[in-house]
Parts: sequence; C-alpha cells; structure tokens
Amino acid sequence: QSILTQPPSVSGAPGQRVTISCTGSSSNIGAGYDVHWYQQLPGQAPKLLIHGNTIRPSGVPDRFSGSKSGTSASLAITGLQAEDEADYYCQSYDNSLSALWVFGGGTKLTVL
Amino acid sequence: QVQLVQSGAEVKKSGASVKVSCKASEFIFTGFYIHWVRQAPGQGLEWMGWINSNSGGRDYAQKFQGRVTLTRDTPIRTVYMELTRLTSDDTAVYYCASGGPLYSDAPNYWYFDIWGRGTLVSVSS
Repeated sequence: QSILTQPPSVSGAPGQRVTISCTGSSSNIGAGYDVHWYQQLPGQAPKLLIHGNTIRPSGVPDRFSGSKSGTSASLAITGLQAEDEADYYCQSYDNSLSALWVFGGGTKLTVL
Repeated sequence: QVQLVQSGAEVKKSGASVKVSCKASEFIFTGFYIHWVRQAPGQGLEWMGWINSNSGGRDYAQKFQGRVTLTRDTPIRTVYMELTRLTSDDTAVYYCASGGPLYSDAPNYWYFDIWGRGTLVSVSS
C-alpha cells in the first residue's frame, strides 16, 4: 500500500488529453511539500518528468504539465502520442517516521 | 558525462547478503546526495535510503533499518548498498539516483534527477 495514491491505469487515444491524479495526506502533499513526477518506459529506469509541482526539466515536451492543490497533485498530458505509453509515478516528501521520500503506486498509461 | 553506473545482476540465496555498487560522475559525487530506490517485479518504487558522499552521513527508511548499509569509497567515486538477511521479497531492481544538493538543508524539496540503469537482485530459496 503506497502512501501516495494513484489510479492503476488510464488510457486515451492519440491526440487526446489525459490526467493522472496523486492523492496524499497532511504528512506529505498536504504539508506543503513539493510533488515530482517520473516517467518509466518499459524496461528502463525512471526519468524525471516534472519537479517542484510544475517545472519541466530541459528536454521534456510542454505537452506534460503538473499542478498541485491541497493534498493532491495531477499530471496532465496533452496531444497524447504513442511514445507516451509508460508508467508514471508521483513522489513527495513525508514527515512521518516510516520513510522520508514516498512514491505513488504508479499509473499505467495506455495509448489506444 | 553526468551519470551513475551500477554493477551487474546478482543471484542470491535466502539469508545471504548482497552488495550493489554505483559509480558516480564527479559532478554528482561531489555535489549531490545519492539515494537508493528499489522496484519489485511489476510493483512501484520504494525509497530505501540516502548517503552524503562528502561526509559519509546517511539515513534509511524505517522498513530497512538494521538490514541496509550505505557506504562510499571516495577515491573511486563509488557508493555501495548492502542488504542483509535476504528473502524472496527482496527480489527487485535496485536503483541509485542523485537527489538533493549537498549544500541543501531542505530535503523536502529534493527529487531524483539522475538515475542508474538498475541492478536486478534475484533471491531464491
């Protein structure tokens, strides 16, 4: 059971817009801590997609955007492309004793 | 080149220990904390701990306290993750990743920007 909750899967047709939610609690996202997003292509290591809630590293297309409100955050992908099919993970900091950096359980994006 | 290069796959018996290495480029080793994250087959990501390659300071997730040890060898810019008393539940890909500048005192802002390719550790009974 992950501390951050994500939907197991989402899907969309090419060109469409999809969103992936990430729900936390008062010890992580709700405490004001930043949310970061990673993309993991099959058989590869995770790749940083969004940091600081909304910031795209150099080289990440502007089709990817992040937002945060209260105890939740979202990743939006517009103009869906076949190469976006991957697993997506949110991550934040947690001030409870169990773990300092926590991840969501991951969301599998299928491009139809 | 900014990168983390990990050691190869390992196969271990239950009860044994494993030690995985992660060689960092100078930019990473001298500037950033190095973390370890693991991923069991078909599962999500799980943070294990971090090490300050400059001071040797380290911290671990509560789940792994007493079983994991992070060390570093400064002359060869390499960090090690040793996990003891292995069980089949420890079968996973283990990643090292850079996260948080060494001068930072605000870990709540840290994220993992450079990742190694991962090391598969398989544990059999």
